[in-house]
This record gives sequence, C-alpha cells and structure tokens, in this order.
Amino acid sequence: GAVVSQHPSRVICKSGTSVKIECRSLDFQATTMFWYRQFPKQSLMLMATSNEGSKATYEQGVEKDKFLINHASLTLSTLTVTSAHPEDSSFYICSADPNLAFSSYNEQFFGPGTRLTVL
Amino acid sequence: AQSVAQPEDQVNVAEGNPLTVKCTYSVSGNPYLFWYVQYPNRGLQFLLKYITGDNLVKGSYGFEAEFNKSQTSFHLKKPSALVSDSALYFCAVNSGTYKYIFGTGTRLKVLA
Repeated sequence: GAVVSQHPSRVICKSGTSVKIECRSLDFQATTMFWYRQFPKQSLMLMATSNEGSKATYEQGVEKDKFLINHASLTLSTLTVTSAHPEDSSFYICSADPNLAFSSYNEQFFGPGTRLTVL
Repeated sequence: AQSVAQPEDQVNVAEGNPLTVKCTYSVSGNPYLFWYVQYPNRGLQFLLKYITGDNLVKGSYGFEAEFNKSQTSFHLKKPSALVSDSALYFCAVNSGTYKYIFGTGTRLKVLA
C-alpha cells in the first residue's frame, strides 16, 4: 500500500530556532500533500495544502512566513517552523494523495507524525 | 460550512461485543465520508469510505459503516470488538473541495 514517512519523528529545540520536518511518499508520487497540526485531545487542523512545483495554499489564520512549505518534488514536501516558540509545540502530521490528479473522494495516506517540543 | 460531529469522546465496550462509534455531518452537496484510525504517536490509517451507491460500506479489520442521508450520519460499526481495536477514531467529510474536515475523534477502549 501507499506509505508516507515523516522525519524526524520527534524533535526538541530551543525557542527562536527553526525546525524542518520532511514528508515523503515512499512508493508513489504525490502532486498534493497536506500539512495538519493536532492538539491534544483535538482534531486535526489543516494548516496548508502543498502542491508540487507551486506555492502552498495556507488556511486562514496560518502564518505563511512562519510555517514555510516547500514541495520541490513529487515525493517530498517540507514544513519549516521558523523562529519557533513554545506555543508552536504540537504534533504535526502530513498526508498525501496517492493519485497524480487530486480528487476529493480519494482517501489520504498519512505520515506517522512529528512531535515538536519548543523549550 | 462543512462540519463533522463525533458526540462521544470515549466509547467503552467489552471484547466480543458489538461496537458503534457515532458520526454526524453537515455539508452542502453530496458528501464523501471517511473513517480513519489513529494509534498512539502514529499517523492516521484509512479504514473505509462512502462515495456513492450501497449505504453499507465494508472496510479494513472487519469494520463497516452505514451512510444514512436522512439522519446525516455515518456511524462506524463492528460486530465483535477486539482489544486491539482500542485506538482513536476519526470521521472526516469532503464535499468536493480540496479540504477534508475531521471530527474531534472518539477514543475506543475495548475491555478484555
């Protein structure tokens, strides 16, 4: 089946530093990837939609200069949290559509998530 | 606006008993409905989906869900629960856009 990996699985950093999280589709090409943030005991909040070769589409309220997304290839999207602060601590999850053409009735394949802790 | 409600934060069921995890939705247009399961510190895994056709959808690990248009519900069911089914379950909806809306999740605890 379609496998999505994320790296790192866990990261601890100091306030003010930047952290890069990678999302890779291992056995398929993904034109579209999604980045979510999950708070404890809450649902997934869509942060942005990442499209290969074009700029990401950010959801309302998500700072694009703080959460930089780059989808440079059909198998890799990266999320960089710039100048991280403790309130950015969260579980970040990516997902990918396994079809070259996105369709809203396709199931998504999710990465295992990255736990970010900012001290 | 699209929305998904999972009214129960937690569902407890004895092993071997049937289980139901509830989901109701609100969308304009025809809904595409999904169930995902999440194990601790893991990403979500797809269980099943309803797109069109038969209202009863069968999915992975013996799970099934019934689409009820009049009640705008898509409850997840399993005839006989296993301890290994204990996890966090999310219902999601999409009505033809790029955006999936997830419910707040229901923690299923199957007791031995």
